[in-house]
Amino acid sequence: DSGVTQTPKHLITATGQRVTLRCSPRSGDLSVYWYQQSLDQGLQFLIQYYNGEERAKGNILERFSAQQFPDLHSELNLSSLELGDSALYFCASSANPRDFGNTIYFGEGSWLTVV
Amino acid sequence: DQQVKQNSPSLSVQEGRISILNCDYTNSMFDYFLWYKKYPAEGPTFLISISSIKDKNEDGRFTVFLNKSAKHLSLHIVPSQPGDSAVYFCAASASAGGTSYGKLTFGQGTILTVHP
Repeated sequence: DSGVTQTPKHLITATGQRVTLRCSPRSGDLSVYWYQQSLDQGLQFLIQYYNGEERAKGNILERFSAQQFPDLHSELNLSSLELGDSALYFCASSANPRDFGNTIYFGEGSWLTVV
Repeated sequence: DQQVKQNSPSLSVQEGRISILNCDYTNSMFDYFLWYKKYPAEGPTFLISISSIKDKNEDGRFTVFLNKSAKHLSLHIVPSQPGDSAVYFCAASASAGGTSYGKLTFGQGTILTVHP
């Protein structure tokens, strides 16, 4: 158990809909990362927040947005969903934004299926 | 543009033998490299890392080799055990310009199967 909690674990929704994925980081971790793993791609970095502020951005679509709340939990909002958005979405956390990857802990992921 | 590539989707090895997983990268700004291990229904977990100032790092049965000139790294597992069967991801990050180290670029992963 990494200490990073993601909900829901599985989600099935229709095209055009909007979903919110939630992440609670490890206790004390201020930085949260979102990654997407689809069938034809490896793990792709989406976005990072540190203590409520956006820190780094990757290949995140405009239809997607994220935020980190004062209690440090984070939400990833996916809207106007398309079939190609079906993927495993991972949240990860670390104590500070300049942590090396050896101190980044991943949650178990949220499986999103768009039908 | 796949900046980190693992060209072997799968690898099958006999228990007790050496497993060698390979990874190539194209971005010369990468200066920190990691291997993650992932079991089904779990998130990736950190295995071993190497900084670009080194060419080898060892941790128990796991050794990572870095060849900067070839932009190639490899993970050696000796001896391989059935419990090592998992997906192995190579990842890289760049520290220049204050970029977050957590912004990792991953390869596609290699499925390692260790047969008893």
